[in-house]
Amino acid sequence: DTGVSQDPRHKITKRGQNVTFRCDPISEHNRLYWYRQTLGQGPEFLTYFQNEAQLEKSRLLSDRFSAERPKGSFSTLEIQRTEQGDSAMYLCASSAGAGGNQPQHFGDGTRLSIL
Amino acid sequence: GNSVTQMEGPVTLSEEAFLTINCTYTATGYPSLFWYVQYPGEGLQLLLKATKADDKGSNKGFEATYRKETTSFHLEKGSVQVSDSAVYFCALSDLNGGGADGLTFGKGTHLIIQP
Repeated sequence: DTGVSQDPRHKITKRGQNVTFRCDPISEHNRLYWYRQTLGQGPEFLTYFQNEAQLEKSRLLSDRFSAERPKGSFSTLEIQRTEQGDSAMYLCASSAGAGGNQPQHFGDGTRLSIL
Repeated sequence: GNSVTQMEGPVTLSEEAFLTINCTYTATGYPSLFWYVQYPGEGLQLLLKATKADDKGSNKGFEATYRKETTSFHLEKGSVQVSDSAVYFCALSDLNGGGADGLTFGKGTHLIIQP
């Protein structure tokens, strides 16, 4: 169990640029989640996958955001035409199933700063 | 919708003091409840969980009891240590309520333990 891995740890970009983050879940976990956390707040759910299928999207996930998990393993989160308000920590989590008996394990996150 | 409310910080205590961090929730269904902890410079870690009423989750000397009648899941520890200094997040998963499998988090409580 090597844990959930996220890359990069930090990303600084100019407003209007596109960015892509990667998440590698724990290898036997079939569920993968994306969250966003801003300063002084708890993480907010964005979307999740079961294997390669994207099953739910939060209303926080605007049209500029897209997530994929093409082979049911790693996932990418892309933000197009970044805005100042996109500055946040983006967290990935994975779990072996649904519900409370299969808790989510989190990566260390990717911190996005928009100049 | 679902929500989690936890006491605001920072909470500052002396070493060996008794700790309580209050958490109350609102959920559509019958949620599972969690406490996550974030140590300085690290990612979120699951501290403890409870999946049904009157369950007590425990780990590392911390305890929390799922109280359905008061919709609460307060975190307690009998004698805190400097190493417990961290941000603590209360969270719920309301899959049975028809919601997404994503976690709903509180805003976090920053705990500072002084020697």
